[in-house]
Amino acid sequence: AQSVSQHNHHVILSEAASLELGCNYSYGGTVNLFWYVQYPGQHLQLLLKYFSGDPLVKGIKGFEAEFIKSKFSFNLRKPSVQWSDTAEYFCAVILYNQGGKLIFGQGTELSVKP
Amino acid sequence: EPEVTQTPSHQVTQMGQEVILRCVPISNHLYFYWYRQILGQKVEFLVSFYNNEISEKSEIFDDQFSVERPDGSNFTLKIRSTKLEDSAMYFCASSENAGGPGEQFFGPGTRLTVL
Repeated sequence: AQSVSQHNHHVILSEAASLELGCNYSYGGTVNLFWYVQYPGQHLQLLLKYFSGDPLVKGIKGFEAEFIKSKFSFNLRKPSVQWSDTAEYFCAVILYNQGGKLIFGQGTELSVKP
Repeated sequence: EPEVTQTPSHQVTQMGQEVILRCVPISNHLYFYWYRQILGQKVEFLVSFYNNEISEKSEIFDDQFSVERPDGSNFTLKIRSTKLEDSAMYFCASSENAGGPGEQFFGPGTRLTVL
């Protein structure tokens, strides 16, 4: 069965530290890839998405992610985190031409210390 | 900016009771979804809905669950006879299209607590 794995359950960083959150998926076909963020008390918001073209995609708030097809990975990065980045981050995939069902990873909780 | 809304924000019910969770998707969207997240677990797909019928449903979405778009604006999830294990956060989402570049916009969720 298709699945998405996020390597880190909880990450704690100090402000200005660099961030990389790992995401791997298991599916051999074409996928569309997403990172969603959920700030405390708020709903899921799209950070960035990859469909085709340049495998390095830039999203909101200085986040970027790189799709490496050979590694089935879509890691999220930010060079310098802020306290306001404290949130839960979810990687998700849609299997192409399979109805739009999002398959989520288990989420990574990011805590940024001021 | 248009957004998906959900009501109520929190629903407490007794085991065996019926609950209806309500969602108002973004008005020009055609595809609607329900997901749920049990505390500490992944967000899981329940069902997708297009053109007034279910497009796809997961194993979780058994005969106790149903969805409906009763009036062209609301999109509801009904659980006929709630169980303790139905306690979760339920998210509604909508998108303009499915499977391709369509972003799914999520509502704030309804926290369902079954006692």
